[in-house]
Amino acid sequence: GQNIDQPTEMTATEGAIVQINCTYQTSGFNGLFWYQQHAGEAPTFLSYNVLDGLEEKGRFSSFLSRSKGYSYLLLKELQMKDSASYLCAVPGFYNNNDMRFGAGTRLTVKP
Amino acid sequence: EAQVTQNPRYLITVTGKKLTVTCSQNMNHEYMSWYRQDPGLGLRQIYYSMNVEVTDKGDVPEGYKVSRKEKRNFPLILESPSPNQTSLYFCASTARGITDTQYFGPGTRLTVL
Repeated sequence: GQNIDQPTEMTATEGAIVQINCTYQTSGFNGLFWYQQHAGEAPTFLSYNVLDGLEEKGRFSSFLSRSKGYSYLLLKELQMKDSASYLCAVPGFYNNNDMRFGAGTRLTVKP
Repeated sequence: EAQVTQNPRYLITVTGKKLTVTCSQNMNHEYMSWYRQDPGLGLRQIYYSMNVEVTDKGDVPEGYKVSRKEKRNFPLILESPSPNQTSLYFCASTARGITDTQYFGPGTRLTVL
């Protein structure tokens, strides 16, 4: 069936590296987004991958493998302010114009 | 300042009393969308609009209506709210379509008693 899966919760230590995975199953593919959402706030854009490979943007990197239906978000040099939910989203999941989000991964960064 | 605004931010109402949540963007965006967010379920798309007078159902459209009479506005209408529509609602817009970055409004927390 069609779905987007990501772990519910993760915990990491300040200064460490964490990888948040997202797997998806969809018949068509128009790329994959990652958004960050702090508690009580709106989601904000982190990255968009449409081709295979790793894209680096400062402390955050995002990887995509279309053949495996797999993406990950890599956060380096973790800071306390990185404690948030991370949402992966696939545009055009059921049709050409809709947007489907995973349930989100809540990351807690501890001192 | 480029932004998406929603009103009201908080609303407590009773079952069956019609309500409208407004959404407006000042970026001349074509694509607009409504989501609800519930614990453990993430963001689920309710309705979206590709442009003026063009709307379509998302994942969870039951119990909701929308309209897009002007490019900047995309109100969400609950004709007869029920307790299972208690949720956090977000409006979002993109410049042209689904492969563009979404800009989200601040959210509306709705409680239906």
